[in-house]
Amino acid sequence: EDQVTQSPEALRLQEGESSSLNCSYTVSGLRGLFWYRQDPGKGPEFLFTLYSAGEEKEKERLKATLTKKESFLHITAPKPEDSATYLCAVQARTNAGKSTFGDGTTLTVKP
Amino acid sequence: EPEVTQTPSHQVTQMGQEVILRCVPISNHLYFYWYRQILGQKVEFLVSFYNNEISEKSEIFDDQFSVERPDGSNFTLKIRSTKLEDSAMYFCASSDEGVAQFGSGTRLTVV
Repeated sequence: EDQVTQSPEALRLQEGESSSLNCSYTVSGLRGLFWYRQDPGKGPEFLFTLYSAGEEKEKERLKATLTKKESFLHITAPKPEDSATYLCAVQARTNAGKSTFGDGTTLTVKP
Repeated sequence: EPEVTQTPSHQVTQMGQEVILRCVPISNHLYFYWYRQILGQKVEFLVSFYNNEISEKSEIFDDQFSVERPDGSNFTLKIRSTKLEDSAMYFCASSDEGVAQFGSGTRLTVV
């Protein structure tokens, strides 16, 4: 069974204080690993897809990296508007597009 | 930018009643999904739909649930005889062969 574990559960940062979120996964043949951002009362908003170990993707202050067992979402010099819950999800090659999600990391950035 | 739209945004229903949640996926997408998120818990896969049939479903998706694509644009989730524990955010998503894009969800409250 595919599993995704995210840590920490919650993270409080000062504006400008860089940090990383972790996503550990087990999947029977990785098709893709996804990072989403979720604001309260909203649906997940797509950020990145990573397909193979060693791959990196960047968007503004966010950078996602992937190894064979985990992914990191690095946040550089965060701003208060980066406050949200960040979700990690995996898709296995063997299923029809089903994504398995982690519990998420709730990030709060204080000005 | 095209988006997945869901209606209603909030539905309150009496226990035992039937509800239909509606979704308009992105027009050129071929894969459709329903997920749910109970308050404070992770996003959980319910069902995937491709080529007018269910391609995968989770243990949650039992006989009280059904999905339909009644016309070329809508995708619906029906819950027969709702229970208190069905209270959750229900997210519709669609994809071509890549990343699933999510709607903003329908908050279902069963009283």
